[in-house]
Amino acid sequence: QKEVEQNSGPLSVPEGAIASLNCTYSDRGSQSFFWYRQYSGKSPELIMFIYSNGDKEDGRFTAQLNKASQYVSLLIRDSQPSDSATYLCAVGGGADGLTFGKGTHLIIQP
Amino acid sequence: DAMVIQNPRYQVTQFGKPVTLSCSQTLNHNVMYWYQQKSSQAPKLLFHYYDKDFNNEADTPDNFQSRRPNTSFCFLDIRSPGLGDAAMYLCATSRAGGEGYGYTFGSGTRLTVV
Repeated sequence: QKEVEQNSGPLSVPEGAIASLNCTYSDRGSQSFFWYRQYSGKSPELIMFIYSNGDKEDGRFTAQLNKASQYVSLLIRDSQPSDSATYLCAVGGGADGLTFGKGTHLIIQP
Repeated sequence: DAMVIQNPRYQVTQFGKPVTLSCSQTLNHNVMYWYQQKSSQAPKLLFHYYDKDFNNEADTPDNFQSRRPNTSFCFLDIRSPGLGDAAMYLCATSRAGGEGYGYTFGSGTRLTVV
C-alpha cells in the first residue's frame, strides 16, 4: 500500500523567513510529486509539481526531489502570513489518482 | 473560466437517508475522482472514472456509489449515511497522460449527518 508521510506540525516560522516542509513516500516507483496548499475548510490548491530529481523553482516556492531517498520537500522563501495553511504532499499521477499525506500545518508568525 | 464545480457547498442529511453530491467540470478532462477528507486527515480516494470506466478503491465501502452520465458530470451517492460518513467530499479531475497539469479540485461539499 502506498504511503506518504509528513510531520503534522504545527510548524511555526517568523514572517520573512524560509519555511521548509518535508515528505517521504513508500512507493519507489512513484513518478509524480505534488504540493497542495489547503486553507481551513477549503479544497486543496496546487502549488508545485515535480517529476525529476533536483530543484524546481516557481516564485517564492522551491520543490526538491530525491528519488533515491524517496524524499520531497517544499521551501517557501520570504514567508508571509497568507502562507499559513496546511500543506499536503501528494504522490502518484496518471489516471490512478493521488496518494496524499496528512499535511503539515504551517503558521507564519507576523 | 474552466473549472470544477461541486454542489451543494454544504449538505446536511439524516442518518440513513440517501444523499447525492454532484460535480461538474468544464475542463473536458477525461478522468474524474471522488475523495473523502475527514478532519485533520489526508484526502482518501474513493473511486474514479477514466472516461466511462469505473474504478473502485478496494477499501471503499459498498455504501458509496458513483455515476458519470456524461463527460461533464459525476455524482457521489451515499445510500445509507452513517455518522462516520461526515466529511468533506472533494471532486477532482485530470487529463490522463497530462502529467504536467496535476489534478484540479472543486470547492468540496461538507457533509453533516444528523
